[in-house]
Amino acid sequence: EDQVTQSPEALRLQEGESSSLNCSYTVSGLRGLFWYRQDPGKGPEFLFTLYSAGEEKEKERLKATLTKKESFLHITAPKPEDSATYLCAVQAVGNNRLAFGKGNQVVVIP
Amino acid sequence: DTEVTQTPKHLVMGMTNKKSLKCEQHMGHRAMYWYKQKAKKPPELMFVYSYEKLSINESVPSRFSPECPNSSLLNLHLHALQPEDSALYLCASSLGLAGDNEQFFGPGTRLTVL
Repeated sequence: EDQVTQSPEALRLQEGESSSLNCSYTVSGLRGLFWYRQDPGKGPEFLFTLYSAGEEKEKERLKATLTKKESFLHITAPKPEDSATYLCAVQAVGNNRLAFGKGNQVVVIP
Repeated sequence: DTEVTQTPKHLVMGMTNKKSLKCEQHMGHRAMYWYKQKAKKPPELMFVYSYEKLSINESVPSRFSPECPNSSLLNLHLHALQPEDSALYLCASSLGLAGDNEQFFGPGTRLTVL
């Protein structure tokens, strides 16, 4: 069974204090790993797709990386508007479903 | 345009009511999804449609009835719901069912069952 574990569960950061979120996964064959951002009471917003180990993608203050066992979402010099829950999901080869982690809840304090 | 729209934004219904949730996308996506999300939990898959045909039903109770009238629209018909069905209902779409097709989510419908 595909499994996704995200850590830390919750994170409080001072504005400008860079940090990383971890997504560890177990999947029979990785088709894709997805990062989403979700604000309270709203739908997840797509951020990145990663397909193979060594791949990196960036968007503003966010950078996602992938190894064979985990993915990191690096937040550089965060701002209060980066406060959200970040969801990691994986899709296995031959499986049409996404397996989600429980999310990393990030609060950035001004 | 990567927008998925959902109506209504909020819905309050009694256990004997019949209501419907609507979802629409105009990105030419051929796969559409319904998810249920409880507070502080990840989304849980309910149904998947591919090319307007039901592809996956995650053993969802029959009081939830999906419908895909055309490639742009997805409905979820609700009947005789229970208070524990109160949740955020999310619609999503992707180009296809292959793993390299990102799912784009709508804003959700907040459902409260009294």
